[in-house]
Amino acid sequence: EPEVTQTPSHQVTQMGQEVILRCVPISNHLYFYWYRQILGQKVEFLVSFYNNEISEKSEIFDDQFSVERPDGSNFTLKIRSTKLEDSAMYFCASTTTGVNYGYTFGSGTRLTVV
Amino acid sequence: RKEVEQDPGPFNVPEGATVAFNCTYSNSASQSFFWYRQDCRKEPKLLMSVYSSGNEDGRFTAQLNRASQYISLLIRDSKLSDSATYLCVVNIRGTGRRALTFGSGTRLQVQP
Repeated sequence: EPEVTQTPSHQVTQMGQEVILRCVPISNHLYFYWYRQILGQKVEFLVSFYNNEISEKSEIFDDQFSVERPDGSNFTLKIRSTKLEDSAMYFCASTTTGVNYGYTFGSGTRLTVV
Repeated sequence: RKEVEQDPGPFNVPEGATVAFNCTYSNSASQSFFWYRQDCRKEPKLLMSVYSSGNEDGRFTAQLNRASQYISLLIRDSKLSDSATYLCVVNIRGTGRRALTFGSGTRLQVQP
């Protein structure tokens, strides 16, 4: 079964440092997403990406965040200057053309900001 | 009011029991509905989509009531492996939105 791959599985970083979280979506999928889940809280939407541009973003996705699809396979989330409150599980997901079939999520990157 | 509201549980049930989870959503423009399952510290996994006519997948039955903005999930003959958090998820369609809105989840613990 095709899967979404995320690396690293766990990243520890110091406050103020930049981090890049990486994802390889399923190859024939066209829409890509980042979600986050702070420990003990619900899954929250960050951003969606289609046709090499952001199609939608939430209020969480401020100027500290950016996304890229640099080489046609990887999909990255960059946090420029991490804060303690950025500590969370970050999930990448992808879908084909429609949302009716739900998403396939990656196994996540646990980001710990110290 | 929360966009998607669920009873957090936990629901502690014996093996073989039938258990039902409910969910309400606030936005009447919601168009697609799902139940996801999430194991501790793992990614959400799609359990089933929810259709207006109701749908069944093995031991799992989902129902949607658009008038009441209410979704349910019924699990029959509970197994130990059903222990997880069940997430009610909606998509609000319009202007190309594909973002999913998650509930906080209902935790199920099936006991031997």
